[in-house]
Amino acid sequence: SQTIHQWPATLVQPVGSPLSLECTVEGTSNPNLYWYRQAAGRGLQLLFYSVGIGQISSEVPQNLSASRPQDRQFILSSKKLLLSDSGFYLCAWSLGAGDNQPQHFGDGTRLSIL
Amino acid sequence: AQSVTQPDIHITVSEGASLELRCNYSYGATPYLFWYVQSPGQGLQLLLKYFSGDTLVQGIKGFEAEFKRSQSSFNLRKPSVHWSDAAEYFCAVGAGSGYSTLTFGKGTMLLVSP
Repeated sequence: SQTIHQWPATLVQPVGSPLSLECTVEGTSNPNLYWYRQAAGRGLQLLFYSVGIGQISSEVPQNLSASRPQDRQFILSSKKLLLSDSGFYLCAWSLGAGDNQPQHFGDGTRLSIL
Repeated sequence: AQSVTQPDIHITVSEGASLELRCNYSYGATPYLFWYVQSPGQGLQLLLKYFSGDTLVQGIKGFEAEFKRSQSSFNLRKPSVHWSDAAEYFCAVGAGSGYSTLTFGKGTMLLVSP
């Protein structure tokens, strides 16, 4: 069966520091991968998605970037964190092709910026 | 563009009582619809999905949802709520990108009273 792992579970970083959050999927090949940010009362905001190695689509302009160096690895990064980057970050995967594939989520990373 | 509205931010239900969470969507074509549940500090878990066919779909944990095209609704129901059902519930619609991207509602927090 497929599993998705995110780490770290929690992270406290100072303003201006770099960021790297990692997400890996096991048990499937060539999944679609997604990064979301969740803020209280705002639901989930899609940040990036990827349909293959090196292929990244950005949904909103921001201080963050994403990379997919391997088929089942998705990384969320920042060179300099802002206070507004605080939030709960979720990674998800789905089978490729079509809009009828449900997404499956990791347990998230709680990021606090000081 | 597609959108999802969950009109209730919070709902309180007595344990053992029935539950209905509302979801309205806006989408030009036949929608792909999903309900997810999120416990505090956790990722999202898929409860059920609608693609086509029978408009009443059954999900996990005793939940069901009914698709009503005429009302653009996909309401989630459960006949008897348990204290463990207290969580946040998200409705989502397939965004039509061809890449299984989803548009989420802002969520409904379910509180269960004894």
